[in-house]
Amino acid sequence: SQTIHQWPATLVQPVGSPLSLECTVEGTSNPNLYWYRQAAGRGLQLLFYSVGIGQISSEVPQNLSASRPQDRQFILSSKKLLLSDSGFYLCAWGRLGRTNYGYTFGSGTRLTVV
Amino acid sequence: EDQVTQSPEALRLQEGESSSLNCSYTVSGLRGLFWYRQDPGKGPEFLFTLYSAGEEKEKERLKATLTKKESFLHITAPKPEDSATYLCAVQEGSYIPTFGRGTSLIVHP
Repeated sequence: SQTIHQWPATLVQPVGSPLSLECTVEGTSNPNLYWYRQAAGRGLQLLFYSVGIGQISSEVPQNLSASRPQDRQFILSSKKLLLSDSGFYLCAWGRLGRTNYGYTFGSGTRLTVV
Repeated sequence: EDQVTQSPEALRLQEGESSSLNCSYTVSGLRGLFWYRQDPGKGPEFLFTLYSAGEEKEKERLKATLTKKESFLHITAPKPEDSATYLCAVQEGSYIPTFGRGTSLIVHP
């Protein structure tokens, strides 16, 4: 069965510090991968998505970047965090053209920038 | 203008009190409408995909329906364990689905 791992679960970082969140998928190959941010009362905001190794599409210009060094690994990074980067970050995977199972989300990372 | 609007933002029910959540959308070429459940501090969990008007899907006490402009998530005789935020997402053509802001449901025993 397919599983998705996301870590860490909670992170408190000072303003100006770097960030690296990692997400890995097991049990499938060539998944589409997604990074979302969820702020209170604002729903899920798509940040980046990837349809293959090294292929990254950015949806929102911001202080963050993403990379996909391996087929089932997706990394969200920042060189210098801002207070506005605080939020709940979710990684997800899905299959293009196969919507009957929706997306599978990781358990999320609660990031607080202080 | 939001493509996906969910209402109400919050809903409080007594155990056994049936109700419905609404998801209205404005996309023209609907490819799929998705419902997810999200527990506090966790990632959303997929519930249903609906593809065309008139379609219905059921899972335990939940039943999702779809029209050309909106979807309803009906909750029959809810239990406290049904308390969660319910998210709706709409996919237009080949684009990535857009999520609504969700409805927070609390079911009191």
